[in-house]
Parts: sequence; C-alpha cells; structure tokens
Amino acid sequence: GDSVTQMEGPVTLSEEAFLTINCTYTATGYPSLFWYVQYPGEGLQLLLKATKADDKGSNKGFEATYRKETTSFHLEKGSVQVSDSAVYFCALKNFNKFYFGSGTKLNVKP
Amino acid sequence: AAGVIQSPRHLIKEKRETATLKCYPIPRHDTVYWYQQGPGQDPQFLISFYEKMQSDKGSIPDRFSAQQFSDYHSELNMSSLELGDSALYFCASSKRDYLEQYFGPGTRLTVT
Repeated sequence: GDSVTQMEGPVTLSEEAFLTINCTYTATGYPSLFWYVQYPGEGLQLLLKATKADDKGSNKGFEATYRKETTSFHLEKGSVQVSDSAVYFCALKNFNKFYFGSGTKLNVKP
Repeated sequence: AAGVIQSPRHLIKEKRETATLKCYPIPRHDTVYWYQQGPGQDPQFLISFYEKMQSDKGSIPDRFSAQQFSDYHSELNMSSLELGDSALYFCASSKRDYLEQYFGPGTRLTVT
C-alpha cells in the first residue's frame, strides 16, 4: 500500500544552518505530496505542496522538489531560525486518501 | 478566513465513559477526516466522510463511531473509553477535488 518514510529525529541545528529532512514515498499512480508543520499543542499546518513530477513547492524559505525517479520529496531550508523549531510531517494524497510520515522534530538553537 | 473548528479543545474522561468530539469544517468544504495522534506519533487516519456519507475507514476501533450531519459538521463518538484512547484528535476538512486538507486545532482527550 501507499506509505511515507521520513528521517527520524530529532534534528538539532544551530540558527542559520542548512536544513534537510528526507522523505521518500511508495505509491501507485500519481500522488500529490505535502509537507505539514506542527507547533507544540497545535494542529498541522500546510507548509508546501507539489502535484506532479519536478514540481517545486516553496513557502517561508522552505523548498521541496517532487522527484519521481527517486520517489522523494526532501524538505530543505537554507538558513533555519529558532522559530522553525517544530515537528515536520511529510504526507501524500492518493485517490483522496492521505498518508503521513512519522514526523521529524526539528530543534533550532540560538 | 474561517478555519476548522473543533470542540471541546480539552476533555478529561474516566475509563469506560463516553465522549463526543465535534468538528465544524470550513464553509463549503464537503469532506471531513478524523485523525488520532498519540504522544510523539504521526496522525493516524480514523475515518472520513464525503457529502454526509462515510467514504473511507482507517484504524477506527469498533467502540468509536462517527457521522456527518446535514450542515456538514461531524461528530466522533467514543464509548467504553480506555487509557490508550488518550490522544490528540484532529479533524480536517477539504473540498473533494481540491488538493489539501485543512486541520483543526485538535481536541486533547485524557482518559484517567
């Protein structure tokens, strides 16, 4: 069945460091891919999305490119801030069903 | 812009009691999803409704039931509560042909 695998956390970085959170997926057909962010005690917020191969989603300095050949959707940010500390979930939507990865906690230290 | 509303935000129940969680989707959204998120876990899909009919079922226990009403709000009914039911319960809504779903703030259920 469809699934999402993302790198285990926590990931701890210093402010202004480069961030990569890996995400790979398994799906039939042509899924859409998402990154959601969850701050403590809050619901999931959509961070960015991509609907087809080679699409790049971007928002708030975060980027991810839909790579069909490697079935990946890695999240990147060139310079993280303390305020980026949160849990990040990779997700896919296929045939109106959503599948989430296990989440990666990011800690950014000043 | 209006967001998904969930009530209550916090709920404390004892074992074997019942609980009802409510979800009010974004206006004109026709699809509602329910998720359960345990501590440090990813959201687990429970059930979804499209146009007031159940459309998909995930890992929802038999003790739980849900429905979507004519005004599109949805309720998750949980009976014979167990300690392991303590979790954050999220509702999300979307329009069926749209890409993303929008999450509510969640209801934190604590079973003692």
